[in-house]
Amino acid sequence: EAGVAQSPRYKIIEKRQSVAFWCNPISGHATLYWYQQILGQGPKLLIQFQNNGVVDDSQLPKDRFSAERLKGVDSTLKIQPAKLEDSAVYLCASSLTGGNTGELFFGEGSRLTVL
Amino acid sequence: QKEVEQNSGPLSVPEGAIASLNCTYSDRGSQSFFWYRQYSGKSPELIMSIYSNGDKEDGRFTAQLNKASQYVSLLIRDSQPSDSATYLCAVPRGKSTFGDGTTLTVKP
Repeated sequence: EAGVAQSPRYKIIEKRQSVAFWCNPISGHATLYWYQQILGQGPKLLIQFQNNGVVDDSQLPKDRFSAERLKGVDSTLKIQPAKLEDSAVYLCASSLTGGNTGELFFGEGSRLTVL
Repeated sequence: QKEVEQNSGPLSVPEGAIASLNCTYSDRGSQSFFWYRQYSGKSPELIMSIYSNGDKEDGRFTAQLNKASQYVSLLIRDSQPSDSATYLCAVPRGKSTFGDGTTLTVKP
């Protein structure tokens, strides 16, 4: 079974530039998450999708971050304009059952450096 | 107050010893609890889940849950250098909530 796919693995941009990350979850997983993990901290949920609907985006900085999940499969997370404090690893995860009772499967992550 | 708190670490134990990792949570309504392991530069992977008070054992790993005290722990018996990683406690309640992790080093 293929795992969660993410790209790009690494991205270096200057502040005020834009960046986009892509995620393809495990086939059949209805729930998709984007997390931000800053070095030395635990993953912080940015947005949770159930199929193509948003379940929770309360911690997404909506003035600069946006995410979509078209057709309930793959998803894109965009940052525009980027700030220095956005330097982090962006983790995509998927779950068969919704996360509260089931396992989260993580992709390898996209490491963003903002200069 | 953070929703999920873990002992800050780092924690260092000799090979073969028992490593004890602790986690407290604030939401009394939480029903499911997870431990993830994250190797340096890698993504988290699930190692234990627990839903009922008491102990749950899986090989060298034992998860302990005390809902009255809002406390969950992970014991690693016969620790191996390959257990060296950051261990994340997750207590999802409406959304998945992770602690900041405890970094464990097992010294040969």
